[in-house]
Amino acid sequence: EAQVTQNPRYLITVTGKKLTVTCSQNMNHEYMSWYRQDPGLGLRQIYYSMNVEVTDKGDVPEGYKVSRKEKRNFPLILESPSPNQTSLYFCASSLQGYYNSPLHFGNGTRLTVT
Amino acid sequence: EDKVVQSPLSLVVHEGDTVTLNCSYEVTNFRSLLWYKQEKKAPTFLFMLTSSGIEKKSGRLSSILDKKELFSILNITATQTGDSAIYLCAVEYGNKLVFGAGTILRVKS
Repeated sequence: EAQVTQNPRYLITVTGKKLTVTCSQNMNHEYMSWYRQDPGLGLRQIYYSMNVEVTDKGDVPEGYKVSRKEKRNFPLILESPSPNQTSLYFCASSLQGYYNSPLHFGNGTRLTVT
Repeated sequence: EDKVVQSPLSLVVHEGDTVTLNCSYEVTNFRSLLWYKQEKKAPTFLFMLTSSGIEKKSGRLSSILDKKELFSILNITATQTGDSAIYLCAVEYGNKLVFGAGTILRVKS
């Protein structure tokens, strides 16, 4: 089944403890992206990647890192999480950028930082 | 500044009603406008619009884009409780994709 898989689904952590949220897609998509969703703010892009080894900042990159060493994987790393990073996170992918190619989303990771 | 604005923010209707959701945008180098439906988890794709005046339709849902007035509407006719969701509008411009805050639709039986 074609899908974007995120793990974990739920994560509770403490301030400053490094964490990684994994994302994997099995559709051979070139484009991958991370979003966070907060009430009243919609989905805001954190980082995106147009292809392997190519990553760029989105609108809210501060406090996050990503890497794209393989086409299928695009992990999101929080080196020192803070409470303002408590949010619902989505990974998404599309065939080639997003023009004429809608995003496929993972099921989300709900992160709580205390 | 807001580039993609959806209205209303939330809406409660009864089954069978028709609803119209709005999405206005202010961007340069517009490429496309997309609608997504988000229930309890991942947003799912509904429509992609690139040309003015051409209606996209899927069952009871339809959408149209006005590139002159910079807005799109999403219509849902004969609403059902299963239509309850957040409806997200996203606009692609340049090399960016920006989402609106969404409209929360609740359909009461």
